[in-house]
Amino acid sequence: GQSLEQPSEVTAVEGAIVQINCTYQTSGFYGLSWYQQHDGGAPTFLSYNALDGLEETGRFSSFLSRSDSYGYLLLQELQMKDSASYFCAVRAHGSSNTGKLIFGQGTTLQVKP
Amino acid sequence: DTGVSQDPRHKITKRGQNVTFRCDPISEHNRLYWYRQTLGQGPEFLTYFQNEAQLEKSRLLSDRFSAERPKGSFSTLEIQRTEQGDSAMYLCASSLSASGGFVSYEQYFGPGTRLTVT
Repeated sequence: GQSLEQPSEVTAVEGAIVQINCTYQTSGFYGLSWYQQHDGGAPTFLSYNALDGLEETGRFSSFLSRSDSYGYLLLQELQMKDSASYFCAVRAHGSSNTGKLIFGQGTTLQVKP
Repeated sequence: DTGVSQDPRHKITKRGQNVTFRCDPISEHNRLYWYRQTLGQGPEFLTYFQNEAQLEKSRLLSDRFSAERPKGSFSTLEIQRTEQGDSAMYLCASSLSASGGFVSYEQYFGPGTRLTVT
């Protein structure tokens, strides 16, 4: 089977740094993605890691360790608008290289003033 | 073309009725995905199209569900004889693949169709 584990909720204050962890168990693995979803909105792409290491995009960074089946999303200089749900998602091997995503259950981030 | 669009945004139907949703992907994207999302959960993969060919279907997609992408552009998802358990947000996403096996890792999601079955 395929499963992803991430914390259900995280709370932090404006200006702080928060890390959202994700562990995965899949039958095959191409890479780990992160998506942000505001209430009532569509998931939007944040980052993708195919290789071990850290990828940085502005205030957001994402890390992957393939040997540990583990990744995290790091959000710096938190702003109120960062309050949202964050999903890790695995691009898993499929019968035809579909690129389909297997999502975790999501982490609700609440940023407080 | 500014993104993926879905219609309708909301649908309330009575149990046993049929419903159809439409998705218009980003125009140059040849890959199209349908996902279903229930409250507090991540999106779950339903089915995938490469151009007009439906290449993969999840076990979640019962016989009551059918999807088409007749000309490789827009797609429809039909649910027959709806059940209360079908109540969810139905998300469409698109991405680009090119010759040689390249598959874009970024999927662009539409705003979804929220289905409520009463």
